[in-house]
Amino acid sequence: GAGVSQTPSNKVTEKGKYVELRCDPISGHTALYWYRQSLGQGPEFLIYFQGTGAADDSGLPNDRFFAVRPEGSVSTLKIQRTERGDSAMYLCASSLNGRGTDTQYFGPGTRLTVL
Amino acid sequence: AQSVTQLDSQVPVFEEAPVELRCNYSSSVSVYLFWYVQYPNQGLQLLLKYLSGSTLVKGINGFEAEFNKSQTSFHLRKPSVHISDTAEYFCAVSDSGNTPLVFGKGTRLSVIA
Repeated sequence: GAGVSQTPSNKVTEKGKYVELRCDPISGHTALYWYRQSLGQGPEFLIYFQGTGAADDSGLPNDRFFAVRPEGSVSTLKIQRTERGDSAMYLCASSLNGRGTDTQYFGPGTRLTVL
Repeated sequence: AQSVTQLDSQVPVFEEAPVELRCNYSSSVSVYLFWYVQYPNQGLQLLLKYLSGSTLVKGINGFEAEFNKSQTSFHLRKPSVHISDTAEYFCAVSDSGNTPLVFGKGTRLSVIA
């Protein structure tokens, strides 16, 4: 079956601009996660959705970052007033029920470059 | 807070040689442990996971890992590597009641012909 998909695969923007990154999880998965991976680092947690609601947004670095999942499926990560430090690979993952034992399946990521 | 330490940032190894990638975690509570692999220009793929029970876990592509609670370690091993194993390997941990994964910084495995 189809895995987790993310669009766009690459996004180049200018400092101060607004960007949206999209994640399409595996069908039927109730949990959806966003992570950020900087060069030479492991993925770092940003936000976790259970259904339509954000169950844990403790990883969002500041109020320029926001994410939604209005229908409990597709999610959009929104970044306002982008800064050069936001440049990174943004990863999305989904799991069946959001339990700690569940495998998280990752998408290929969106590489964001802020000039 | 949970943390994961991958002791080696890069591991070069000759083809058909054995390899061990080290991972230590910090926790005194029940944890679930994972190893993911990231091939160039691809997403993270699960290699194996430890949830409970037998401390030796077998995964895909001939990899295995051993959970050692007293040493808080979860080292990944393969008895004979192939060129195709060249990739970045990440160890990750989650608590029993908290599902976001905490990742290590990764180990780049380079297999040399």
